[in-house]
Amino acid sequence: ETGVTQSPTHLIKTRGQQVTLRCSSQSGHNTVSWYQQALGQGPQFIFQYYREEENGRGNFPPRFSGLQFPNYSSELNVNALELDDSALYLCASSLGPLGTSYEQYFGPGTRLTVT
Amino acid sequence: AQSVTQLGSHVSVSEGALVLLRCNYSSSVPPYLFWYVQYPNQGLQLLLKYTSAATLVKGINGFEAEFKKSETSFHLTKPSAHMSDAAEYFCAVRIRSGGYQKVTFGIGTKLQVIP
Repeated sequence: ETGVTQSPTHLIKTRGQQVTLRCSSQSGHNTVSWYQQALGQGPQFIFQYYREEENGRGNFPPRFSGLQFPNYSSELNVNALELDDSALYLCASSLGPLGTSYEQYFGPGTRLTVT
Repeated sequence: AQSVTQLGSHVSVSEGALVLLRCNYSSSVPPYLFWYVQYPNQGLQLLLKYTSAATLVKGINGFEAEFKKSETSFHLTKPSAHMSDAAEYFCAVRIRSGGYQKVTFGIGTKLQVIP
């Protein structure tokens, strides 16, 4: 059984650019959540997708957007990058949305550096 | 709004000694509580969770945590530390807010195990 995978592992972008991060969920999982983990901080919930629909969002501006595909893989898009967007971005998949008893399985993350 | 406070960003214990990592939460409704572990360059792994069943929760790798409503605490313990326990530990709370379930993580506690 393949776990949650994320790509790329590392990325360097310039302020103002746009970036797309990708996540492949674990087999059979229909829910993907994205988190931002700044250096020295705990993960912060960005949003969750359940069966291709956004199903909850944290306190992030609209320039953070997402997509979930029919195979339940997901993308996180960030427009107009700012220096504070530098962080580890974690993706987690589960058999059902938050609020159920299903456990979240985390990927290794994508380290984004904005210069 | 819910929040999580982890006391002590760094904790050092000797190998074989008791591990105690502290977590206090604030929530106006009964919360679901979690402890995760993160090894360097890896995603988060669920250690254990409290979902309003037994107040003493046993997790993986010999860890356990006790939910104490009167103290609003969910401290993580392990009787005897092992070198492989060196990692960062995150406490998290999940409650329903604004029609969705949201997860809030603490800032983490780095555990150092001294031989």
